[in-house]
Amino acid sequence: GEEVAQTPKHLVRGEGQKAKLYCAPIKGHSYVFWYQQVLKNEFKFLISFQNENVFDETGMPKERFSAKCLPNSPCSLEIQATKLEDSAVYFCASSQFGQGIGELFFGEGSRLTVL
Amino acid sequence: TQLLKQSPQFLSIQEGENLTVYCNSSSVFSSLQWYRQEPGEGPVLLVTVVTGGEVKKLKRLTFQFGDARKDSSLHITAAQPGDTGLYLCAGTGSGNMLTFGGGTRLMVKP
Repeated sequence: GEEVAQTPKHLVRGEGQKAKLYCAPIKGHSYVFWYQQVLKNEFKFLISFQNENVFDETGMPKERFSAKCLPNSPCSLEIQATKLEDSAVYFCASSQFGQGIGELFFGEGSRLTVL
Repeated sequence: TQLLKQSPQFLSIQEGENLTVYCNSSSVFSSLQWYRQEPGEGPVLLVTVVTGGEVKKLKRLTFQFGDARKDSSLHITAAQPGDTGLYLCAGTGSGNMLTFGGGTRLMVKP
């Protein structure tokens, strides 16, 4: 598609429940990035993919967070056993090139609220 | 970790005023991008600067990359309510890692 599509827009989970977010990158873009935005300002890098391969996962909290980008499927970000501090807006971005080389195109974000 | 510090964090001004937002680091970046984010949306790229000392203009917005490629500024002339939003700088450092600054939330009152 012409835009990065993220679903759902809003997700509410009780503490300890699982949350799964989806992202369809722009067609033809090889790179997908996940960011976490807390307090409406700070962007924290989580993970990036080059096609279906993990490119950089230095920002991922490894214990409960996982992500995949499988061929012919939306990319996904899954949080097992959510905690209150996971409440944030999660943004997906795609790019033709890697980080910092070209423009990142962002989706509208998925707001996760953990109660 | 390469940190990008933006200042001010918040700015509320009247329509017609000028303003400057700063993005500073102790690290050198190969390029620096500025994004604007409006409520309920993802950030949108405004500009990329790659050369030390480079100045780019986008209508009323002027972007400058420091000579040493450690800092950048965004100057808005005659701000308008439509300029309201969150401005984010993002620098590319070693390993092509993109680091975002903490953001400057701008409100322009009519």
